[in-house]
Amino acid sequence: AQKITQTQPGMFVQEKEAVTLDCTYDTSDPSYGLFWYKQPSSGEMIFLIYQGSYDQQNATEGRYSLNFQKARKSANLVISASQLGDSAMYFCAMREGDFGNEKLTFGTGTRLTIIP
Amino acid sequence: EAQVTQNPRYLITVTGKKLTVTCSQNMNHEYMSWYRQDPGLGLRQIYYSMNVEVTDKGDVPEGYKVSRKEKRNFPLILESPSPNQTSLYFCASSDGRRGQFFGPGTRLTVL
Repeated sequence: AQKITQTQPGMFVQEKEAVTLDCTYDTSDPSYGLFWYKQPSSGEMIFLIYQGSYDQQNATEGRYSLNFQKARKSANLVISASQLGDSAMYFCAMREGDFGNEKLTFGTGTRLTIIP
Repeated sequence: EAQVTQNPRYLITVTGKKLTVTCSQNMNHEYMSWYRQDPGLGLRQIYYSMNVEVTDKGDVPEGYKVSRKEKRNFPLILESPSPNQTSLYFCASSDGRRGQFFGPGTRLTVL
């Protein structure tokens, strides 16, 4: 079974609209961490946001927020007021176990295109 | 400036010719990792290291070797490269508390 599933290979969104990128995960470990990364066309991987399994509140970082629904095993990334510069590939990743276990599993990514 | 550097950035080589991709970080991070990225497959972890002289296999370690003799360096070694190792390779480091910092990537072509 896939540990990280991103079901949207591609998305087109109008500029200034909010975007939700889906991510579901599968783990039996009670302690885990979920990450989102952005990969623009230039190729670098940029860390966006982190959610720990024991965190009580959904993570937020500027225009990025993580809609964490533990019972449903989903960790969707929400980008508010999208900008042209948000066009990129977005990857969801999971760390199983506590901090210090640096074995990460990535999803296959969602290519987001923002339309002017 | 905090960064992870990789060299070379681009490499074209032939089957069987040993090569090393270097990775260095200046953030005093304990944890370092190597990934490969292939179209449609996302990133897959090759090896990771929790500290000097401590390494472990990721999901796709076959055909690769690593070493961690110093905290800042984590080279990736392909002893006998094959065409199926043509890929985009990323090195990353972390302090274990938040996300991993990625290097700029090395695009490897094995003919």
